[in-house]
Amino acid sequence: GENVEQHPSTLSVQEGDSAVIKCTYSDSASNYFPWYKQELGKGPQLIIDIRSNVGEKKDQRIAVTLNKTAKHFSLHITETQPEDSAVYFCAASIGNNAGNMLTFGGGTRLMVKP
Amino acid sequence: NAGVTQTPKFQVLKTGQSMTLQCAQDMNHEYMSWYRQDPGMGLRLIHYSVGAGITDQGEVPNGYNVSRSTTEDFPLRLLSAAPSQTSVYFCASSRAGTQYTDTQYFGPGTRLTVL
Repeated sequence: GENVEQHPSTLSVQEGDSAVIKCTYSDSASNYFPWYKQELGKGPQLIIDIRSNVGEKKDQRIAVTLNKTAKHFSLHITETQPEDSAVYFCAASIGNNAGNMLTFGGGTRLMVKP
Repeated sequence: NAGVTQTPKFQVLKTGQSMTLQCAQDMNHEYMSWYRQDPGMGLRLIHYSVGAGITDQGEVPNGYNVSRSTTEDFPLRLLSAAPSQTSVYFCASSRAGTQYTDTQYFGPGTRLTVL
């Protein structure tokens, strides 16, 4: 089955700096790659996703890039703010799979220091 | 819309006790899933359903049962709780996917401790 690895497990940046989180996946049939943000005591919330027919997607300060050949994708957060502090999860999914099953990475705890 | 709701928020059980974690969604989503979250391991799929009356196993199904009698509700049952089931449980729902998986929406979670 699919295996997703995520690095780093913790990341500390200064407010205003950029943060990059990287994930690799194993199944070349995966074609959907969401990123979730989880704040303390809450459920994961989708912040951005990318499908395999594009290489990059941007939404204000957040961007995701996908390299299908190398089977890795990355989350980029620019101009970080203290409210960006949270745990971020990447995931991968094979299209047309019954249940929309996601395989998650292990998570990255991002700390933005004011 | 309330989205995905879960009850209870917290629960403490003794080994061998049974309980049901409730999940409901008001978005008329066909798909619903249960995940467990353990430190450093991300979320792992327990069971999922593609519609009323249809359920299937995920990555870690042992010790859990599910049923889906309505589109809105997807309860998770622990028949005989074990300490290894101490975790945070998340329910999720989504529309049926097409070529690409559709967005999954998560509930706030139930934190379960088994003594």
